[in-house]
Amino acid sequence: QQQVKQSPQSLIVQKGGIPIINCAYENTAFDYFPWYQQFPGKGPALLIAIRPDVSEKKEGRFTISFNKSAKQFSLHIMDSQPGDSATYFCAATLPSSNTGKLIFGQGTTLQVKP
Amino acid sequence: ETGVTQSPTHLIKTRGQQVTLRCSSQSGHNTVSWYQQALGQGPQFIFQYYREEENGRGNFPPRFSGLQFPNYSSELNVNALELDDSALYLCASSRLETQYFGPGTRLLVL
Repeated sequence: QQQVKQSPQSLIVQKGGIPIINCAYENTAFDYFPWYQQFPGKGPALLIAIRPDVSEKKEGRFTISFNKSAKQFSLHIMDSQPGDSATYFCAATLPSSNTGKLIFGQGTTLQVKP
Repeated sequence: ETGVTQSPTHLIKTRGQQVTLRCSSQSGHNTVSWYQQALGQGPQFIFQYYREEENGRGNFPPRFSGLQFPNYSSELNVNALELDDSALYLCASSRLETQYFGPGTRLLVL
């Protein structure tokens, strides 16, 4: 029940395409869902985050769609660029009164071809 | 850049040795969390420190221990190293729920 399942494991798109990465969770107590981008040899960098009372959030070319009833959320990258090639992780956490530990998905390796 | 720094960047140890990894938090952050990231996997929560006290622990044995100092910097100590401890160790600092990660320490256990 503490897991976050992420798919696909890898994704290849052409420049300008819209890659979509999906995540699903079981624990309805999760209340904060961030997405991280990680380049090889670097730490994860926060991209965008959402709370379950919001169905969509946009920041620049990145959009999170959230479906609370289905317990699913997804990341869309608009007008993808070769520089977006990285590994993307979704995560979830319990309310900050708890440990605040992030539970990560397994990661999606994205390749954007020129 | 997040302002979270970690040292050393790389480390090679042999099985059975002990290691200490260090993390400096982003200014204004009073909470530090440590994660282990095996190759090709998502980070796994080790533990979190808030105001110098352990505030939650993941599924890691007691030979993984930590400290947080009054300036909110932190250490991760691992005793009796095993081959499976080879991984990228990440620290993340936070004040509320958003966690900002450092670049990590790559540990190789031979």
